[in-house]
Amino acid sequence: AQSVTQLDSHVSVSEGTPVLLRCNYSSSYSPSLFWYVQHPNKGLQLLLKYTSAATLVKGINGFEAEFKKSETSFHLTKPSAHMSDAAEYFCVVSDRPQGAAGNKLTFGGGTRVLVKP
Amino acid sequence: GAGVSQSPSNKVTEKGKDVELRCDPISGHTALYWYRQRLGQGLEFLIYFQGNSAPDKSGLPSDRFSAERTGESVSTLTIQRTQQEDSAVYLCASSPLAGGVGELFFGEGSRLTVL
Repeated sequence: AQSVTQLDSHVSVSEGTPVLLRCNYSSSYSPSLFWYVQHPNKGLQLLLKYTSAATLVKGINGFEAEFKKSETSFHLTKPSAHMSDAAEYFCVVSDRPQGAAGNKLTFGGGTRVLVKP
Repeated sequence: GAGVSQSPSNKVTEKGKDVELRCDPISGHTALYWYRQRLGQGLEFLIYFQGNSAPDKSGLPSDRFSAERTGESVSTLTIQRTQQEDSAVYLCASSPLAGGVGELFFGEGSRLTVL
């Protein structure tokens, strides 16, 4: 079974300061992990993904995330927040045995980011 | 268009009526998903189609919900005898088999309001 917990439902940061969005997961196999972003009235967009290659993953818009197996975490960070980063962010896990077909994703509850000028 | 298209974008219906939501995936994408997003909540998996394999229906909340997909084309999600708790945004996503794990491309959703 797979599950995802996003530890903060809301995060408020000032423009130009670092952003940290926390995510912990549980899985039965070797998971693939993702972060998606949802801007107001827009569809979800993939920010980055981890699929058992490098543990530090770089995504779009300056975001990156680090996979830490020992901590079962996949936190998302950005060194300097921009006003356009205001959105909702979802941590996602896909947990299938190697070679199994399918790609069922489990979404976390989301973290809403507010960026103050 | 190049993206996943969903219709209608907004639907208001009365309790007890049936509704049908449509999803046009990206051409060539073999996998198609339906998710539900209630106000202020995360995404809830409903159903998954992969090519001609039997769909994974494990997320459908009740027998009032059903979905169909013909081959690798359009999918429809049908909700019969709608209830107020069905009010949500219904999101469709597609994924190419060759695109790797997790690269889902989402539509903008169909917002359903049941009065």
